[in-house]
Amino acid sequence: SQQGEEDPQALSIQEGENATMNCSYKTSINNLQWYRQNSGRGLVHLILIRSNEREKHSGRLRVTLDTSKKSSSLLITASRAADTASYFCATGLSGGYNKLIFGAGTRLAVHP
Amino acid sequence: SAVISQKPSRDICQRGTSLTIQCQVDSQVTMMFWYRQQPGQSLTLIATANQGSEATYESGFVIDKFPISRPNLTFSTLTVSNMSPEDSSIYLCSVEDSQGMRETQYFGPGTRLLVL
Repeated sequence: SQQGEEDPQALSIQEGENATMNCSYKTSINNLQWYRQNSGRGLVHLILIRSNEREKHSGRLRVTLDTSKKSSSLLITASRAADTASYFCATGLSGGYNKLIFGAGTRLAVHP
Repeated sequence: SAVISQKPSRDICQRGTSLTIQCQVDSQVTMMFWYRQQPGQSLTLIATANQGSEATYESGFVIDKFPISRPNLTFSTLTVSNMSPEDSSIYLCSVEDSQGMRETQYFGPGTRLLVL
């Protein structure tokens, strides 16, 4: 079963604008990861944030994690048409092996 | 990061038949995972495959329907048995990052299956 929700389900913006996607989850986690999927293909790993971290950056990506609210956000700055994809958060649960539970995903469309 | 390939990349099958999907990794990994992504949906974990042991299946998935093999540390297969149109999905394998952060999983390109 899915861990939680992502919002918005769909986001449409112009090139150059920032895109923010949110992810909420239900149980204790070891880490939270963000992935990108282009047109139903394989997933590309973007960034991992551990439960004891609050913020991470990678290029134009900024991820925050608030374990008290059980939520995370992914910010893409200065978006490009090539950022058009579906974005998924996935939580690695506490205890046991690293099983990932995926959120429902956000479909991002960046228009030139 | 690991380089993962899957075969076939896509297939169209008749109901009642079975399809075996192969997943090959360019390095030795302990754990491999199989996911299903139904049309327009997110990913759901089917099972975890460790070399030399039986696969561990998630709730709602059974070995008779999705038998898995893991003969060595670089290869695994997932069979979708006695297929029905409801099995039409993208099937993806993934592996843990054995070199860096072990929590990270890398995904193959997926196998797009259509059952008629």
